[in-house]
Amino acid sequence: DGGITQSPKYLFRKEGQNVTLSCEQNLNHDAMYWYRQDPGQGLRLIYYSQIVNDFQKGDIAEGYSVSREKKESFPLTVTSAQKNPTAFYLCASSKAARNYEQYFGPGTRLTVT
Amino acid sequence: AQSVSQHNHHVILSEAASLELGCNYSYGGTVNLFWYVQYPGQHLQLLLKYFSGDPLVKGIKGFEAEFIKSKFSFNLRKPSVQWSDTAEYFCAVSLNNAGNMLTFGGGTRLMVKP
Repeated sequence: DGGITQSPKYLFRKEGQNVTLSCEQNLNHDAMYWYRQDPGQGLRLIYYSQIVNDFQKGDIAEGYSVSREKKESFPLTVTSAQKNPTAFYLCASSKAARNYEQYFGPGTRLTVT
Repeated sequence: AQSVSQHNHHVILSEAASLELGCNYSYGGTVNLFWYVQYPGQHLQLLLKYFSGDPLVKGIKGFEAEFIKSKFSFNLRKPSVQWSDTAEYFCAVSLNNAGNMLTFGGGTRLMVKP
């Protein structure tokens, strides 16, 4: 089955710790994205990558970092600099060419206390 | 920067009622338009999309949306909702000349009472 996997589904961390969220896709998509979902605010773009070894900041990149060493993988690190990290994080992918929709993973709910 | 507005944050309907969810965006150029749905406990999935052509777009599960360029709107409609339509609905826009990056609206939570 082709799709996007995110692990773990739930993640708990203490304040001040960095944490890395996993995202893997087997859709052979070039582009991958990370969003943060908060109630009433929809999804907001954190980082995106159109190709391996390249990525760009989205609207709310502060306190986050990413890497794109493999086409299939786009891990997101939530650093201790992120002031309000508790949220639902969604990973997505799409073909890089124009006019394609994004496909989403099941999400990771991060709680930082 | 572009923005997307969904004016209805919560909607409660009885089964068989008609549904219309509003979506307006703030960009004057060529856009691609999407409606995504998030059923309880499930992935965000695409309901329908508009890239060009007929402004009335049919999607899955009986949903449709109409692109009205003069009103910067892409409202979602369904003539008769079912209990299984209970979900959160998101409108999203991408700029035609900027890859596939999406700007999302704040979402509308729909509850359909049986």
